[in-house]
Amino acid sequence: DIQMTQSPSTLSASVGDRVTITCRASQNINRWLAWYQQKQGKAPRLLIQQGYILQGGVPSRFSGSGSGTEFTLTISSLQPDDFATYYCQHYNDYPLTFGQGTRLEIK
Amino acid sequence: EVQLVESGGDLVQPGGSLRLSCAASGFTFNKHTMIWVRQTPGKGLEWVSSIDGRGDSTSYPDSVRGRFTISRDNSKSTLFLQMDSLRDEDTAIFYCAKSDCETIGCKLIDYWGQGTLVTVSS
Repeated sequence: DIQMTQSPSTLSASVGDRVTITCRASQNINRWLAWYQQKQGKAPRLLIQQGYILQGGVPSRFSGSGSGTEFTLTISSLQPDDFATYYCQHYNDYPLTFGQGTRLEIK
Repeated sequence: EVQLVESGGDLVQPGGSLRLSCAASGFTFNKHTMIWVRQTPGKGLEWVSSIDGRGDSTSYPDSVRGRFTISRDNSKSTLFLQMDSLRDEDTAIFYCAKSDCETIGCKLIDYWGQGTLVTVSS
């Protein structure tokens, strides 16, 4: 199975900050990487697919990059609505696996 | 608007069975692979099963294969998860999710339901 490792596990930041979350796959997944945002008590929401393609309705302050085994999610200027938990997930093959999550909290 | 509404979560004893349902609307149900994902505080998000649009192909991780069965009724736009031989570690919120296309190879999850809680405990 492909292991997905996110870092950091928790990130403290302020409104307006630029933040980056890293996701590493244990083997090559090409660009088959999704990023999700989950708020407390809610379902995850797809933000980015194929490592870099922003879903419709997702603010342009979100961006993704990477391929192969290393990927990043960047939020260019944090807004109050962005404080949530972020997960990466590969969809290169079955079994699908997720990172353990990065909790983005207000400093 | 895509809507996925899960139901059937409950408290069940170890070794027991439970059937989850997911009512889908807002898209052409039989044109999309459907997926179950579960979430626990300890293990995070875990993929549970997938079924293609026609219901011909399924896939499971080792942790549930042989105990869980995914199925669908395209005439009613409803997805099911039959869970047998339940264990304490199956306790989780179970999410119904939609993929972006029809075949079993379609593995991107683009919409999630709100989840239903399954608790396995004596």
